[in-house]
Amino acid sequence: AQSVAQPEDQVNVAEGNPLTVKCTYSVSGNPYLFWYVQYPNRGLQFLLKYITGDNLVKGSYGFEAEFNKSQTSFHLKKPSALVSDSALYFCAVRDLDTGRRALTFGSGTRLQVQP
Amino acid sequence: DTGVSQNPRHKITKRGQNVTFRCDPISEHNRLYWYRQTLGQGPEFLTYFQNEAQLEKSRLLSDRFSAERPKGSFSTLEIQRTEQGDSAMYLCASSPSSSTDTQYFGPGTRLTVL
Repeated sequence: AQSVAQPEDQVNVAEGNPLTVKCTYSVSGNPYLFWYVQYPNRGLQFLLKYITGDNLVKGSYGFEAEFNKSQTSFHLKKPSALVSDSALYFCAVRDLDTGRRALTFGSGTRLQVQP
Repeated sequence: DTGVSQNPRHKITKRGQNVTFRCDPISEHNRLYWYRQTLGQGPEFLTYFQNEAQLEKSRLLSDRFSAERPKGSFSTLEIQRTEQGDSAMYLCASSPSSSTDTQYFGPGTRLTVL
C-alpha cells in the first residue's frame, strides 16, 4: 500500500521569508512523487515531480522540493514567499514498481503568506 | 484553452436522483482518471482508463457509480440514486502514455446532494 502524510494543516510565513511544506511517504517500491497546488474553487495545478536523479527538484513559480530517501520525505520549499503563493498544497505518491497508475494524495497543507 | 475541461462545473440534485458528469481530456492524452475530493481532504482515486479500457477501479467506486470512455476521448461518470455522502468535488485528470507520466487536472465538478 502507498500513503502520504502532510503533518501540518497550515503553514504561516511572512512575505519574503523562506517557506517549507512537509511531506512524508510510504511505498513498497520506488516512489514517484508530486506536488500540486489548489486555488479556491479550482482544480489541482502541477508544480513539480521526482522520479530519479538529483534529490533537489525545481518546478514552477520558483518552488523546489528535496527528496530524502532515508527519511522518506519530499518537502516543498521556496526561498522567498509571495502573498500570491497562499493556497492549498498537496503531496502525492505513486509506486513505480506496482504498475498501478493511481496517485495517493496527502490531506493537504494550507499555506498562508502574510504581507 | 487546451487543458482538461469538465462539465458541469456545479450540480445540485436531490437525494435519489441520477447525475452524469463529463470530462474532456487534453487532446493527445490517452489516459484519463477520475478522483473525488471531499472538504478538507486530498483527492481520492476512483478509476482510470487507457484509451477506452477501464484498467483500474477503486473500492470507493460502489455499484452506484459507473464510468465510461466509449471512444477513448471524453469520459462520463454517472452516479445513480445519489446520497448525501456523494456530495464532493469530482476531479478528472489526463496524462500521456508513458511510464512516468504526469496527471493534469481539470477544474472539477462540485456535486451537492440535498
